[in-house]
Amino acid sequence: DQQVKQNSPSLSVQEGRISILNCDYTNSMFDYFLWYKKYPAEGPTFLISISSIKDKNEDGRFTVFLNKSAKHLSLHIVPSQPGDSAVYFCAASLSSNTGKLIFGQGTTLQVKP
Amino acid sequence: DSGVTQTPKHLITATGQRVTLRCSPRSGDLSVYWYQQSLDQGLQFLIQYYNGEERAKGNILERFSAQQFPDLHSELNLSSLELGDSALYFCASSASSGLRKEQFFGPGTRLTVL
Repeated sequence: DQQVKQNSPSLSVQEGRISILNCDYTNSMFDYFLWYKKYPAEGPTFLISISSIKDKNEDGRFTVFLNKSAKHLSLHIVPSQPGDSAVYFCAASLSSNTGKLIFGQGTTLQVKP
Repeated sequence: DSGVTQTPKHLITATGQRVTLRCSPRSGDLSVYWYQQSLDQGLQFLIQYYNGEERAKGNILERFSAQQFPDLHSELNLSSLELGDSALYFCASSASSGLRKEQFFGPGTRLTVL
């Protein structure tokens, strides 16, 4: 049962434009959501997170939006840069005292110069 | 650099063998997590330790075990290896408590079972 889904395996965007990566979840008990970026041969790098009590969190070029009623979150990157080309994973955490993360399958973003 | 270290970086072994993967968390982090990433898949949670004690278990096979030592480093032991165990194994660590749940990942160990 895939509780966190990233339905787009890949996305291609022109440099300077907006990149929008999407993620859907099924479990209403998730209370914290995170986005990670992963380059080949490296571990995932934390990008940005959002608590379920908020609907938006912004950090520089990265903004995460959370729509609880739709069980949907998205990551916006503006403006996109070639160095943003990587695999992006969304992850969710349950409202419990363990911090285990449940990851989506990932979306490969390519930013073309 | 996340501050989480993992050794070895690569491991090639044969079916039926046993291997040990090692992880050192970020300074001050009490929680250690192990994840498995098979080919083109998302990361699957295996197990969590907090200050030396098992805190949560995921889809971890009985052939796999882990422990966290008093100095907080952790080891993941994989035994009776099968071809399907070939994967990337990541360790992550996080602060002990609080509302923020960010985990910081090591570079991973790539295990190849031949």
